[in-house]
Amino acid sequence: DQQVKQNSPSLSVQEGRISILNCDYTNSMFDYFLWYKKYPAEGPTFLISISSIKDKNEDGRFTVFLNKSAKHLSLHIVPSQPGDSAVYFCAASAQGGSEKLVFGKGTKLTVNP
Amino acid sequence: DTAVSQTPKYLVTQMGNDKSIKCEQNLGHDTMYWYKQDSKKFLKIMFSYNNKELIINETVPNRFSPKSPDKAHLNLHINSLELGDSAVYFCASSQDAARFSSGNTIYFGEGSWLTVV
Repeated sequence: DQQVKQNSPSLSVQEGRISILNCDYTNSMFDYFLWYKKYPAEGPTFLISISSIKDKNEDGRFTVFLNKSAKHLSLHIVPSQPGDSAVYFCAASAQGGSEKLVFGKGTKLTVNP
Repeated sequence: DTAVSQTPKYLVTQMGNDKSIKCEQNLGHDTMYWYKQDSKKFLKIMFSYNNKELIINETVPNRFSPKSPDKAHLNLHINSLELGDSAVYFCASSQDAARFSSGNTIYFGEGSWLTVV
């Protein structure tokens, strides 16, 4: 039962353009969402997060948008750089539950020079 | 100066063996975790410890036994290894077991690649 879904296994964009990575969730109890970035042979590193009381959070080139009614969030990277090439995981945690993150399967982003 | 470090990074072993993966964090965090990334790439929690106390156990076979000698260490011991145990095991830590927020998020180690043959 996938509670967090990243339906695009891969995405390829040109350097300088916008990268949009999407994530859908099914559990309405989720109230905190995170994006992690993972390079090969390394552990996931925290990128940006958003609470369900917000619909947007921005950090430099990275912006996360949350649409609670659609149970959808997205990560925008502008402008995309070759160093952004990695696997991006969406994760969520539930209000009142034991504190664990539920991860999506990841989307592999390739930024071409 | 690695924040969450785990050893070994790569481990190849035969079915039926017993093996351990060690994890240490130098972040001063109270909570530590083991996550497993299987062949389908899903990253799923296995265990969580807060101040050496088990707080999450996600229906993991009892061949897997975590041990936390102190809050900076969380080791994973696996008995009678099976082919299906082949995966990447990630250790992680967070400030505490309170709700996740911008001030309390999870930091991961680099992973331990376990291959059972």
